[in-house]
Amino acid sequence: AQTVTQSQPEMSVQEAETVTLSCTYDTSENNYYLFWYKQPPSRQMILVIRQEAYKQQNATENRFSVNFQKAAKSFSLKISDSQLGDTAMYFCAFMKHIREARNSGGGADGLTFGKGTHLIIQP
Amino acid sequence: GAVVSQHPSRVICKSGTSVKIECRSLDFQATTMFWYRQFPKQSLMLMATSNEGSKATYEQGVEKDKFLINHASLTLSTLTVTSAHPEDSSFYICSARGGPSGLSQETQYFGPGTRLLVL
Repeated sequence: AQTVTQSQPEMSVQEAETVTLSCTYDTSENNYYLFWYKQPPSRQMILVIRQEAYKQQNATENRFSVNFQKAAKSFSLKISDSQLGDTAMYFCAFMKHIREARNSGGGADGLTFGKGTHLIIQP
Repeated sequence: GAVVSQHPSRVICKSGTSVKIECRSLDFQATTMFWYRQFPKQSLMLMATSNEGSKATYEQGVEKDKFLINHASLTLSTLTVTSAHPEDSSFYICSARGGPSGLSQETQYFGPGTRLLVL
């Protein structure tokens, strides 16, 4: 079974600052995906960024980037030039590669989430 | 693209009644849909995986007779909470994963969630 750990329950930074959210995970799989999802007060889950484990290059999406360290099983999210609208819960999530999940039997390719980090951007 | 809707957005029911929640992928075909549950100030927990035309696969500890899942088409999955009790009160969120038509198969797109309150 996979586990995802987010060790920062809450973080607060000033607008325009850079902030890094940490995430570590544990798995015996070699092929998998990692995601960061954002959940604002509306509770709608929004995909922020994703990373395929077989890719060494870190994923980036505008102001969002990750530091993926496969050997250390670490997947941190960096938000640059933070904005008030970035205030939300951020969840790190793990998913087995679809092909390997199907080999494990049905239902193995859902997301395993960390407990989340509540990020507050102060004006 | 990749819009997922849920209906209703919130529901209040009496203990002992059944409640049906619908999850629809509006602009893509979803070969697989997932149902999650989220308690206040907690993370999402996977309840079950639903594949079109086949029986759902439930996570350990989730009662399949209590949480009935039907995935009758590539755009619709339903979750029915049978004989609901106050402890079933929670936020239920569905997600859908795209088929081969274009969307990445590994990404799940989430519905807006349904808040269930059982009195």
